[in-house]
Amino acid sequence: DTGVSQNPRHKITKRGQNVTFRCDPISEHNRLYWYRQTLGQGPEFLTYFQNEAQLEKSRLLSDRFSAERPKGSFSTLEIQRTEQGDSAMYLCAGGLAGSTDTQYFGPGTRLTVL
Amino acid sequence: GDSVTQMEGPVTLSEEAFLTINCTYTATGYPSLFWYVQYPGEGLQLLLKATKADDKGSNKGFEATYRKETTSFHLEKGSVQVSDSAVYFCALRPGGSYIPTFGRGTSLIVHP
Repeated sequence: DTGVSQNPRHKITKRGQNVTFRCDPISEHNRLYWYRQTLGQGPEFLTYFQNEAQLEKSRLLSDRFSAERPKGSFSTLEIQRTEQGDSAMYLCAGGLAGSTDTQYFGPGTRLTVL
Repeated sequence: GDSVTQMEGPVTLSEEAFLTINCTYTATGYPSLFWYVQYPGEGLQLLLKATKADDKGSNKGFEATYRKETTSFHLEKGSVQVSDSAVYFCALRPGGSYIPTFGRGTSLIVHP
């Protein structure tokens, strides 16, 4: 158990709807990462926070995606106007400043867009 | 751009067999290399890492050696157990970056 939790674990939605996922790292994790993983692929980086500041975003993160980390604790990832191609597992990972290599992954949120 | 190529799975072995999962990479500079493991129903966990050429990472009986001349980081274990059944991901992190690039993953199934 890495101590990182994600909710919900599963989400089924209809195309065009908005969805929001939450990630709760442990309190010591000042870095927080979001990834997307599709079937048969490895995780693909989406965005990363240090404390409350969003420092880097992938080109994969279209305008329909937005992430926040208010107060540098939990984080949310929102997808607006979902498309079937958004169906994937969304992973969150926490990390510690000064430990660039160790990321603690949550179990993921599986999104299915019908 | 940077990339990681892993052998396709599933790899199916009997308990106590020798395991090799191949991983090669393409990167500029001197990346750090990693193996992550994902057990069924759980999040990814860092298994081992190596940060420079000829380093050997090891953990839980698994080993991998950073081979710059062949741009490889193959995962090995001398005697697998049923509990090693999982998906294994090879990854690299470019120097100066916090962002890893993952391979597609290799599923390992170990039969009693």
